[in-house]
This record gives sequence, C-alpha cells and structure tokens, in this order.
Amino acid sequence: DAGVIQSPRHEVTEMGQEVTLRCKPISGHDYLFWYRQTMMRGLELLIYFNNNVPIDDSGMPEDRFSAKMPNASFSNLKIQPSEPRDSAVYFCASSRRALGGDTQYFGPGTRLTVL
Amino acid sequence: SQKIEQNSEALNIQEGKTATLTCNYTNYSPAYLQWYRQDPGRGPVFLLLIRENEKEKRKERLKVTFDTTLKQSLFHITASQPADSATYLCALMDSSYKLIFGSGTRLLVRP
Repeated sequence: DAGVIQSPRHEVTEMGQEVTLRCKPISGHDYLFWYRQTMMRGLELLIYFNNNVPIDDSGMPEDRFSAKMPNASFSNLKIQPSEPRDSAVYFCASSRRALGGDTQYFGPGTRLTVL
Repeated sequence: SQKIEQNSEALNIQEGKTATLTCNYTNYSPAYLQWYRQDPGRGPVFLLLIRENEKEKRKERLKVTFDTTLKQSLFHITASQPADSATYLCALMDSSYKLIFGSGTRLLVRP
C-alpha cells in the first residue's frame, strides 16, 4: 500500500484566497483524521471521520474551516477565506478501527503558507 | 485543565548510551498511551502502544513504561544510534476517544 497520500505538499497563497487540501487514506481504514501542527500549539486534531461521517469537529478553529469525506477514498479540508495565522503543516491520518487503541498512519503533510 | 508535558529541551546524548524521554500528564485517565517518531518534513510514525493495565512494553531497542499512579510514561532507546535522532511524541486517548499529542522532545544522538 502507498500509505496516506496528501496533496499538495506545499501551498503558498495570499490572504483571503480559498485553500483546498486533499487526502487519500489507506484502503480499508475506517477512520480519517485531520491535524494541524505549529511550533506554538504542536499537533492538534481538527476533525475526524468514521466511515465517511464526521464524528467530532470540535477542533476546527472557526467557520472558515470545513472538511468533507464524500467517499472512503477521499477527504478534503477547505479554508475560506484563508488568513496568515492559518499557516501551518496540515496532516491527514487514517486508522483501521478503535480510536486511541489503534495505530494512526500519517501522511507526509501539506505545508501551508498564507501571505 | 488537561495537560500533556514533554521536555521541550532537546536531549543530547552520545551514541551507544540509553536515551530516556518523559511524558507526564494531568487530569487524564487514559486507557492507552502511544509513542510516535517524527522526522523533519515528515508525518509522525507510530512506534509503540501501551495499555493502562500494562507496566512495560518492549520492541527491539525500544522500551516504554506506563505508571498510572505517577501519571507518567518513560520511553527508552537502548544502544542509541545517530539514526535515532528525531522528535518523539507521546499521545494519550482522552475521554472522547481522541488522541491528544504532547509537543514532543527532540533527541540528538552524537556519533
């Protein structure tokens, strides 16, 4: 298996623009997670899905952020409008079953810079 | 409030020595604790999982302990190598079954 795939790997955009980050989880994994990592706040969970259904989005910073999982093979995270404070590395991860008790497999991340 | 603390200062050791990293937590009663390794520019990679009823877990040169009384986990790398240099993250499952990560400790192994 290719592992978790994320695109793009790097994104530079200007404040106010819409940003879309993409993720393909590992086939057969029921859970998908979106995280954000910054020096100040570390690795934070934004939202997670179970069987394509959003379960907990309490980590989403504000209404400018949205995430969808239209099928088992794809999820996207959108930021509209983007702001400089959204600059971070965004990771997607997937796991096979129970949260906490199972391994999470992380993608390589998308480094987002908002100017 | 709930907190996970890892030493923010880098741990600098000589090759061949044992590296010991600490993860302390407050106001959690985690059923599981996991350790991940993260290299620069990459996503975290799972290393070990230990359950609350397990005191110790080993995998090759890695050993993890979990003391629910002290609310602490120790992560050991024996016979350390320069290739072990990375940031190590501990993660706890919180009451809503999500993984909460510590900020990580950077390990530098000198040849």
